[in-house]
Amino acid sequence: AQSVTQLGSHVSVSEGALVLLRCNYSSSVPPYLFWYVQYPNQGLQLLLKYTSAATLVKGINGFEAEFKKSETSFHLTKPSAHMSDAAEYFCAVSRRGGSQGNLIFGKGTKLSVKP
Amino acid sequence: DTEVTQTPKHLVMGMTNKKSLKCEQHMGHRAMYWYKQKAKKPPELMFVYSYEKLSINESVPSRFSPECPNSSLLNLHLHALQPEDSALYLCASSQEARSYNSPLHFGNGTRLTVT
Repeated sequence: AQSVTQLGSHVSVSEGALVLLRCNYSSSVPPYLFWYVQYPNQGLQLLLKYTSAATLVKGINGFEAEFKKSETSFHLTKPSAHMSDAAEYFCAVSRRGGSQGNLIFGKGTKLSVKP
Repeated sequence: DTEVTQTPKHLVMGMTNKKSLKCEQHMGHRAMYWYKQKAKKPPELMFVYSYEKLSINESVPSRFSPECPNSSLLNLHLHALQPEDSALYLCASSQEARSYNSPLHFGNGTRLTVT
């Protein structure tokens, strides 16, 4: 069965600092992994997805994530945080067949950005 | 601006009321979804419609009744809800239900309070 674990329910960084949000997965089959962002009072928006084409995945808003099979990890990074990055971030794995409609979400990490 | 429109934005209803949540998209997507999100929790899949047919029901209580009148519209009929059903209800759509290349587009949700 697939699952994801996000380490740290709350991460706080200063503006301009590196953003690192951690996600580890468990999957009995090659996983399809996703990062979504949720701004206050909004729905979720896809940041990036891993579908086995490349281990380093670039997404929107300057975010990227690296798939590391040996570490079962798919951490999200951004070199320099902006105030507008403050939001809730969810890592997710597809339950079956790679469908994005049947996702198992992690518990989320709230990112705060200090001026 | 979101391409998936949900109405109403907020809804307060008593346990004996009947109400409906509405969702609309005009992107030509053939898959539509209802998710439930409790405060500080990840979204949980409730229903999936593919080509206007219900394809997934995640063991949702019958007091929630989905309806897909056409490919652009998705309703969620509510009856005899409990206070614990209070949550943010998110609608999403995607081009296809079974493709990992088909990202989910979320609406901004309906915040439901059951009194």
